[in-house]
Amino acid sequence: DAGVTQSPTHLIKTRGQHVTLRCSPISGHKSVSWYQQVLGQGPQFIFQYYEKEERGRGNFPDRFSARQFPNYSSELNVNALLLGDSALYLCASSRGQGAGTFGSGTRLTVV
Amino acid sequence: DAKTTQPNSMESNEEEPVHLPCNHSTISGTDYIHWYRQLPSQGPEYVIHGLTSNVNNRMASLAIAEDRKSSTLILHRATLRDAAVYYCILRDPGGSNYKLTFGKGTLLTVNP
Repeated sequence: DAGVTQSPTHLIKTRGQHVTLRCSPISGHKSVSWYQQVLGQGPQFIFQYYEKEERGRGNFPDRFSARQFPNYSSELNVNALLLGDSALYLCASSRGQGAGTFGSGTRLTVV
Repeated sequence: DAKTTQPNSMESNEEEPVHLPCNHSTISGTDYIHWYRQLPSQGPEYVIHGLTSNVNNRMASLAIAEDRKSSTLILHRATLRDAAVYYCILRDPGGSNYKLTFGKGTLLTVNP
């Protein structure tokens, strides 16, 4: 079975731009969570979506938003990018609202 | 969320046992102790979890103190592939069970 897949694997954006990151959960998993991992730190929770509804939100500004589609895939959107948004963005999926299985992440660099 | 304290780094030799400690003095009665590890360029990977009793699986063992204020992840024979950052996380399956709160973890170096 395929694991959690994230795309793209790497990307470079300019300050002020917008970015969309994508996540495909493991088949049968209805929950997707997003985490941000800055270099040298552990991952920090951003959002969880379960059955297409937001079930949890971390301490991130409104520039960060997400949604989940009927096929349970998810997008994370970040507007007005700042240099500090440079990080590894991780997606995790699970059957219920548990912690889940992580993908390998998208490395975002903001210049 | 209750906090955990881990050493920043540890070093081991290949094929020797490794004991990774974690202190969680403010653990609540409903918190499970979870361990994840993150290999270079990978997302975190589930290792093991437990509540009160010691637990074993194919990857590792988890020893939990009787007062539950500390725990130890045991890798019985470290390999080079075990070199990773290991995170000890408390998680209550009720309440805000949707998220994991990661600290900085312990960077394990395995020497050949």
